[in-house]
Amino acid sequence: EAGVTQSPTHLIKTRGQQATLRCSPISGHTSVYWYQQALGLGLQFLLWYDEGEERNRGNFPPRFSGRQFPNYSSELNVNALELEDSALYLCASRTSVGLAGPPYTDTQYFGPGTRLTVL
Amino acid sequence: TQLLEQSPQFLSIQEGENLTVYCNSSSVFSSLQWYRQEPGEGPVLLVTVVTGGEVKKLKRLTFQFGDARKDSSLHITAAQPGDTGLYLCAINNDKLIFGTGTRLQVFP
Repeated sequence: EAGVTQSPTHLIKTRGQQATLRCSPISGHTSVYWYQQALGLGLQFLLWYDEGEERNRGNFPPRFSGRQFPNYSSELNVNALELEDSALYLCASRTSVGLAGPPYTDTQYFGPGTRLTVL
Repeated sequence: TQLLEQSPQFLSIQEGENLTVYCNSSSVFSSLQWYRQEPGEGPVLLVTVVTGGEVKKLKRLTFQFGDARKDSSLHITAAQPGDTGLYLCAINNDKLIFGTGTRLQVFP
């Protein structure tokens, strides 16, 4: 079974440009999460999509946005790039939350990430 | 202030040594997860602990959830170079909230 895939592997942009990152979840998974892993800031939650809708977003400016397509793949868009946006962007997928509640013991499966460098 | 503080931040040891990594918080959690991230890859779930005082073993790795469910530890026995990576604790509150991480390097 194929895992979570992300493209591109590396992306180099300059300040002010826009970046688009893509993620394909594991077959059968309807939830997609985006995380940012920046040097010195650790791994931080960015966005959560489930069944095509944005369910939650982390403490990031509106420049960070995304969407989930009918086939459950997802896109992360970062507008007006700033130097501090340089980071590894990780996508993760899981099965639909449904009626699940705490304790949350299910597994999120991560892709290998897209390394975004802003010059 | 970080919700989950991990210590040590860095650990560099020789093959065969034992080590313990800690994950601490002032909050009580219903569950806690441990992940390992290797260079060029995303984090991979190692274990989920749910019950206070719970101990889980995964080969040479032993995970413990504190009695008060505020802290956890990961102990590795006879570390091997393949154990090298970034170890992250996390709480799963729909979204994952990760700890500050412990970067482990095991030299042959």
